[in-house]
Amino acid sequence: DQQVKQNSPSLSVQEGRISILNCDYTNSMFDYFLWYKKYPAEGPTFLISISSIKDKNEDGRFTVFLNKSAKHLSLHIVPSQPGDSAVYFCAASGDQTGANNLFFGTGTRLTVIP
Amino acid sequence: DGGITQSPKYLFRKEGQNVTLSCEQNLNHDAMYWYRQDPGQGLRLIYYSQIVNDFQKGDIAEGYSVSREKKESFPLTVTSAQKNPTAFYLCASTRGSLLNQPQHFGDGTRLSIL
Repeated sequence: DQQVKQNSPSLSVQEGRISILNCDYTNSMFDYFLWYKKYPAEGPTFLISISSIKDKNEDGRFTVFLNKSAKHLSLHIVPSQPGDSAVYFCAASGDQTGANNLFFGTGTRLTVIP
Repeated sequence: DGGITQSPKYLFRKEGQNVTLSCEQNLNHDAMYWYRQDPGQGLRLIYYSQIVNDFQKGDIAEGYSVSREKKESFPLTVTSAQKNPTAFYLCASTRGSLLNQPQHFGDGTRLSIL
């Protein structure tokens, strides 16, 4: 059963506008959430993370929001740039094994149109 | 520069053959992971290792084997028992001594069946 879900397989946004990528999770034990960016034929690159004790974390153009009651997080990219075009994976951990194991969503392909 | 190196980038397997994918890291990370990615799916955990000479099965370990004889190395063998081995394989590592640390990924190995 998929514990982390990204229900939008793709998103297209005009350059300069905001991109909002969404992610939902089902396991209330998750306490650490991450976003990764992936280009074809490359490994995922870590973008930004948030701990469950926070509801927002910002790093430059990237902001992650966490709504624990709704078990929902989102990644905002402002302004969007053509180089942001990639697949974005949401991930979560906190399965109590202490192994830092991550559970991944299925990804959202972002296309930023120049 | 420190990083994770996976080799080869592309690998072909004949029916009934075992193949081994290499993963080396010079980040001095304790924990290492192997994931499999199939088209349209997220990353699924095959095996992980938190310390040398110890490893644990992930969600889809059947048909795979690993070893962790050195901190820097975590090779994955895809055995003939794995009936659907065609996929993109990703290795990752993290500072396993701390919780809530992002995993860092190699650039992957694409395995195909001849």
